[in-house]
Amino acid sequence: GQQVMQIPQYQHVQEGEDFTTYCNSSTTLSNIQWYKQRPGGHPVFLIQLVKSGEVKKQKRLTFQFGEAKKNSSLHITATQTTDVGTYFCTENAGNMLTFGGGTRLMVKP
Amino acid sequence: KAGVTQTPRYLIKTRGQQVTLSCSPISGHRSVSWYQQTPGQGLQFLFEYFSETQRNKGNFPGRFSGRQFSNSRSEMNVSTLELGDSALYLCASSLGPGNNQPQHFGDGTRLSIL
Repeated sequence: GQQVMQIPQYQHVQEGEDFTTYCNSSTTLSNIQWYKQRPGGHPVFLIQLVKSGEVKKQKRLTFQFGEAKKNSSLHITATQTTDVGTYFCTENAGNMLTFGGGTRLMVKP
Repeated sequence: KAGVTQTPRYLIKTRGQQVTLSCSPISGHRSVSWYQQTPGQGLQFLFEYFSETQRNKGNFPGRFSGRQFSNSRSEMNVSTLELGDSALYLCASSLGPGNNQPQHFGDGTRLSIL
């Protein structure tokens, strides 16, 4: 699978602020999957995007796939302390996930 | 439905030893993948098995091996352990091959090499 670059590496926010993490690839991706890993936990699948320009929402989370299928973003509205964790984006190529470094989100109550 | 089960949860070994980790996938899942997670290298793909066959392999030395049984359970083995093998080893299962399968991870085995 193609490794995607993710920014920022770390993000501290005050509870209630918004948060966005971005993924970029130099090549076209067949899909993008997002995972969340809580401290001390394991990655948990959040969502998959497949179509160009696709937007999906899960409550306060909004996921986008770029028109060129080379970038993606995850936006969290009004963060809560339960949002703490590391968010990973990855392309799933035949069940082989090539993870980037992820974005570690810290939320101050 | 039970999740992915990995055993043991924690393991301490010394350099030069070998270790076997076990993974039981979610019932009905036939694909099992293994990942190594370290603070320095992050999450790295080791290998993936489907129908008892290794389909994909990551960039790890031959000391890392695995297998899958007919009931889809999988084991990975690391021989001649090195200090750098200290890591969280995660297993993930999915229904089968294909790019659109969500991966369901287990809690991992934390391996410490002394």
